[in-house]
Amino acid sequence: AQKITQTQPGMFVQEKEAVTLDCTYDTSDQSYGLFWYKQPSSGEMIFLIYQGSYDEQNATEGRYSLNFQKARKSANLVISASQLGDSAMYFCAMRDTNSGGYQKVTFGTGTKLQVIP
Amino acid sequence: NAGVTQTPKFRILKIGQSMTLQCTQDMNHNYMYWYRQDPGMGLKLIYYSVGAGITDKGEVPNGYNVSRSTTEDFPLRLELAAPSQTSVYFCASKPGMRNNEQFFGPGTRLTVL
Repeated sequence: AQKITQTQPGMFVQEKEAVTLDCTYDTSDQSYGLFWYKQPSSGEMIFLIYQGSYDEQNATEGRYSLNFQKARKSANLVISASQLGDSAMYFCAMRDTNSGGYQKVTFGTGTKLQVIP
Repeated sequence: NAGVTQTPKFRILKIGQSMTLQCTQDMNHNYMYWYRQDPGMGLKLIYYSVGAGITDKGEVPNGYNVSRSTTEDFPLRLELAAPSQTSVYFCASKPGMRNNEQFFGPGTRLTVL
């Protein structure tokens, strides 16, 4: 079973509007973490935001916020006031623990966001 | 700090050749990771290490080997290159279990013909 699912291969948003990128996850761990990364066309991976499974408040970092709904196992990224520089691939990822007790990170397949002027 | 460095940036291999992708970090991070990213896809974990001398398989380890003799270095070895290994390879690190952000290298673009 896929551990991280991003169902939107591509999204368009008008500049200055808000956009939500979907992410659902699957884990049997009680303690886990959820991340979002941005990958511009230049190829580097840029860390955006982190949410721990025990964090009661939704994480926020500037224009990025993570809408964490634990019961629904979703961790959607909300970008407010979109800018042209936000055009990129966005990856959701989850950190959990394998059977050997080691942490590992699993990435989703990504959503390509294009911001329209 | 240079962060996470990867060499080479680009490489073309013939089927059956071997090579080692180098990854070095100067941040004294314990955790290190190797991912591959196929065109239009997300990252898949190949191998990871939680400290010198300790490595474990990720999601797609077949055809690869790793070693971690020092904290700084985490080389990835391809023994018999196959076209299916054409991909962009990313190395990443983070300080420890309690840390969240992984720091990524710039990637190595590998083509196997």
